[in-house]
Amino acid sequence: QKEVEQNSGPLSVPEGAIASLNCTYSDRGSQSFFWYRQYSGKSPELIMFIYSNGDKEDGRFTAQLNKASQYVSLLIRDSQPSDSATYLCAVRASGGSYIPTFGRGTSLIVHP
Amino acid sequence: NAGVTQTPKFQVLKTGQSMTLQCAQDMNHNSMYWYRQDPGMGLRLIYYSASEGTTDKGEVPNGYNVSRLNKREFSLRLESAAPSQTSVYFCASKQGGNQPQHFGDGTRLSIL
Repeated sequence: QKEVEQNSGPLSVPEGAIASLNCTYSDRGSQSFFWYRQYSGKSPELIMFIYSNGDKEDGRFTAQLNKASQYVSLLIRDSQPSDSATYLCAVRASGGSYIPTFGRGTSLIVHP
Repeated sequence: NAGVTQTPKFQVLKTGQSMTLQCAQDMNHNSMYWYRQDPGMGLRLIYYSASEGTTDKGEVPNGYNVSRLNKREFSLRLESAAPSQTSVYFCASKQGGNQPQHFGDGTRLSIL
């Protein structure tokens, strides 16, 4: 069973702070990693994806991948109340189906 | 740019009734997916279609059937609805390989 684990939270941070969201996965051969944001009552929206070890930055968002330790993180700089949402981590494991496994998500609350 | 379109957005059924959830994508994607999302359970894969003409079971296929009508359309059918199928249903599509999935707005289904 290929597993993707996230702390359900809620993670509460003040406006302007850095929010750090973490995700661990069980399949060492995992190939690609995705972060989705889901507002309450809405559908998941892709924020970032990363394939290689290291950091990938896009605006206020940075994805960090460490395959040796089997974790992927999402950093949100200068957090805003509009960032309050559930963040889903998805991992495409090794094997031929190319279907990602989703974590249950971390709820982020950014308070003014 | 419509992306992934799901119909209907809301539906209430009585136990034992049948219905079909429709999904269409205009991104020329090869793969399409049906998920259900329940509180605390994350996204669970019901069925998927890796390419036109193929369908496969996911994690929770019991009580559902699917049809990949053509490259654009992938429908989900509940033959005899049960209260346990009350959920939010998401359709997703992707080009293939390591590409990310793109989600529709969801169908909120209640079965009484």
